[in-house]
Amino acid sequence: IAGITQAPTSQILAAGRRMTLRCTQDMRHNAMYWYRQDLGLGLRLIHYSNTAGTTGKGEVPDGYSVSRANTDDFPLTLASAVPSQTSVYFCASSDSPGGPFDEQFFGPGTRLTVL
Amino acid sequence: GQNIDQPTEMTATEGAIVQINCTYQTSGFNGLFWYQQHAGEAPTFLSYNVLDGLEEKGRFSSFLSRSKGYSYLLLKELQMKDSASYLCAGTDSNYQLIWGAGTKLIIKP
Repeated sequence: IAGITQAPTSQILAAGRRMTLRCTQDMRHNAMYWYRQDLGLGLRLIHYSNTAGTTGKGEVPDGYSVSRANTDDFPLTLASAVPSQTSVYFCASSDSPGGPFDEQFFGPGTRLTVL
Repeated sequence: GQNIDQPTEMTATEGAIVQINCTYQTSGFNGLFWYQQHAGEAPTFLSYNVLDGLEEKGRFSSFLSRSKGYSYLLLKELQMKDSASYLCAGTDSNYQLIWGAGTKLIIKP
């Protein structure tokens, strides 16, 4: 593994189904993030984790949950998918959750379609 | 409220110079980032400004004016591979990034 990986690359999902998007990083970064990106809108933060064992809500957390059991993994779960959750989902990580410089490294994204 | 504004789309000619502007309003400012995103790919980091002034990195430069809530990304000697979206993002008081919708830059021969 080099950097951040996400799985699956793309998924078509029936409304009402449960889905977990996986994210793994091998950079030993403390902070991890989940964003969604929709056409015409900027990246919107769903949830974040400043360090293993802690999570926080971002701008659009409703309908999503996360966990951070260890440094490397940060899965995002849709408990009961709805069509408005159709989007491209990016996972990102950074060395520190803030401070004067906090470049974020992004995974390749998961394209999710909810029908 | 918190807001990041940048133009939706710009067109420029190969070999020329283009300036992409960004204005921001965030609840607590801790820096301004620029990212590049090619179609269908993930964003990648270009630059970071926290103090007023110009930061130069090869063909790319980024400028910040904290008093005006304004930044720009300057791309020189444009190449076809520079065709991409350019995302401006400001940090809020919790050090989370607030993102603009991105500026799609189209380079013509």
